[in-house]
This record gives sequence, C-alpha cells and structure tokens, in this order.
Amino acid sequence: NAGVTQTPKFQVLKTGQSMTLQCAQDMNHNSMYWYRQDPGMGLRLIYYSASEGTTDKGEVPNGYNVSRLNKREFSLRLESAAPSQTSVYFCASNPGQSYEQYFGPGTRLTVT
Amino acid sequence: QQQVKQSPQSLIVQKGGIPIINCAYENTAFDYFPWYQQFPGKGPALLIAIRPDVSEKKEGRFTISFNKSAKQFSLHIMDSQPGDSATYFCAASRRAGANNLFFGTGTRLTVIP
Repeated sequence: NAGVTQTPKFQVLKTGQSMTLQCAQDMNHNSMYWYRQDPGMGLRLIYYSASEGTTDKGEVPNGYNVSRLNKREFSLRLESAAPSQTSVYFCASNPGQSYEQYFGPGTRLTVT
Repeated sequence: QQQVKQSPQSLIVQKGGIPIINCAYENTAFDYFPWYQQFPGKGPALLIAIRPDVSEKKEGRFTISFNKSAKQFSLHIMDSQPGDSATYFCAASRRAGANNLFFGTGTRLTVIP
C-alpha cells in the first residue's frame, strides 16, 4: 500500500513550457486535491475533485488545469509555465467519510 | 484572504519546553480543526484534530485547546524533543462538498537539545 504517490519529484522548466504533474492513490479514496506550498503562505488549494468525474477550482486555480482520469489518478497541468508557478506541489486524497487528507511527498518545480 | 491566521512564524525552544502555536479563524461554519506536521522534504501528515464541541483534546504529548467563542485554537507540545522539530500547520474545514481544508501559514519549530 503506497498511499499517495507523485511524479516527478523535481522538475525545472523554462518559462512558457508545459508539463503535467501526476498523482495516484491506492486507498480507494473518493476525493483528491492539488495544493501549492510557498514560503510564508502555507498550503493553498489549486483544484480539487470531490469524486471521479468532477473537478472544481480552489483558491488559486489560474494557470492550471486538472484531469481526474479515474478514481486513482488526478493530474495537474501547467500549459505555459511562469516563474510565479515555482513552488512545491502536493497532491492529497480523502476517503470522503472523514475529514483527514493524506498527502503525497510533493513535486518541487522551478520555472526559470 | 487568509481564512486561518497562524502565529508565530517560527519558534525555538529548549528540549523539555512547551511550545505553543496559535490559530484564529472567522468562518463559524468550520467544524473540524486539524494540525498537520511536516518534516523537510516530506508531505504534511495529520497530527491531531478537534471538533468544536470539545474544548481540549490530548494525544500523547500533543494537546489542542479550542475556544469557540474567541474562534481560536492552539497546539501545545509537552516535554518537547529534538525530533519534534518540524513545520506545523493548523487548518480548518467544513462539512460541505469535498471537505476542503484551509491552512494557516505554518510555524517552523526548532527544539534545541
């Protein structure tokens, strides 16, 4: 049981490049989330998916898109990366019956 | 607009001391208040959580104190150890939709041996 996994662990992009961050969970959880973590800002919700087939915007969705591919996988796409998107990105999941969210190990993204 | 305000930003205590981290919120619809612990290079992990129908919850050396009328809650770490050195985040959630969490800005705790 791996929990929540994220790939890649590190990535460097040039401004304007695109990429997709992958997230998968093996806990049969209904809800999944994408956060970004910046110094002094805590974790801010980018997008979430309450259940398979649904996605909604969080606090800071601009510049991102998401896909809930199936119950296990929730990907985050940056279509045209900007230096302001330099951050650590965390994926999380929640079973739906409780409030607890389980976090992945994160992806450190640098946009130059 | 930060829905949950957290202080202090950083905290240094001696081993055995009792660090206290404070959080405040405005939205009275929140009904779940967790604390997450994060070690460098790792994702946050749930440490302890409280519902607003109780004023205190203890789990081992960790205690949450909750003041509903003041809309404040705090984390106390008894007999702190160097292994407690981490960043701590408070958060709040309401039972609606996908149980979204609103996080505080974090407190970096250092426990000196």
